[in-house]
Amino acid sequence: EVQLVESGGGLVQPGGSLRLSCAASGFTFSSYSINWVRQAPGKGLEWVSFINTSGGSISYADSVKGRFTTSRDNAKSSLYLQMNSLRAEDTAVYYCMRVRSGGYLDYWGQGTLVTVSS
Amino acid sequence: EIVLTQSPGTLSLSPGERATLSCRASQSVSSSNLAWYQQKPGQAPRLLMYGASSRATGIPDRFSGSGSGTDFTLSISRLEPEDFAVYYCQQYGSSPPRFTFGPGTKVDIK
Repeated sequence: EVQLVESGGGLVQPGGSLRLSCAASGFTFSSYSINWVRQAPGKGLEWVSFINTSGGSISYADSVKGRFTTSRDNAKSSLYLQMNSLRAEDTAVYYCMRVRSGGYLDYWGQGTLVTVSS
Repeated sequence: EIVLTQSPGTLSLSPGERATLSCRASQSVSSSNLAWYQQKPGQAPRLLMYGASSRATGIPDRFSGSGSGTDFTLSISRLEPEDFAVYYCQQYGSSPPRFTFGPGTKVDIK
């Protein structure tokens, strides 16, 4: 069974940092690109970042570029999102999901909540 | 940057009725790169359709997708109680990889 499990969320002050993890199982992690997508409370979905199979191609939404860094460890079947200089508007549930050819997202984790507040 | 617009914002229907949801792109999108998702309260989104018209695994055939270019449609032929949810369209651009979601259409019980 394909599973993606996010962790690392919590309460952080504005300007602070947080590192999210996404643990994958049930499929060959190294064969798939992975996305981070977030959803602010009561709002829609916002794409955050993309990383390809090797980690050699990474892209970010303009809203997080320069502050967030995505990486992966294929040996550990894990994905990471380092979030720096956090702002109140970064408050959201963060999901990781598997990317298929054609750019659709076929498996999603349950998400981890990040709250940026003083 | 491609912007997706979904209409209506809210669709109020009764079980058994047909739902028609629209997704319009600000510029032409490859049908291969257009997907639809369903999200229920407190849950992660679930893939419904990919390639504009292909149903994901386990999705019942009352769901169908169509469209090309800038106009895409998700149809639900006969609404079941479990279909009342928010629906998002999403497109993918490859150079560099970027993903855009529409704002969503909420289908609620009339």
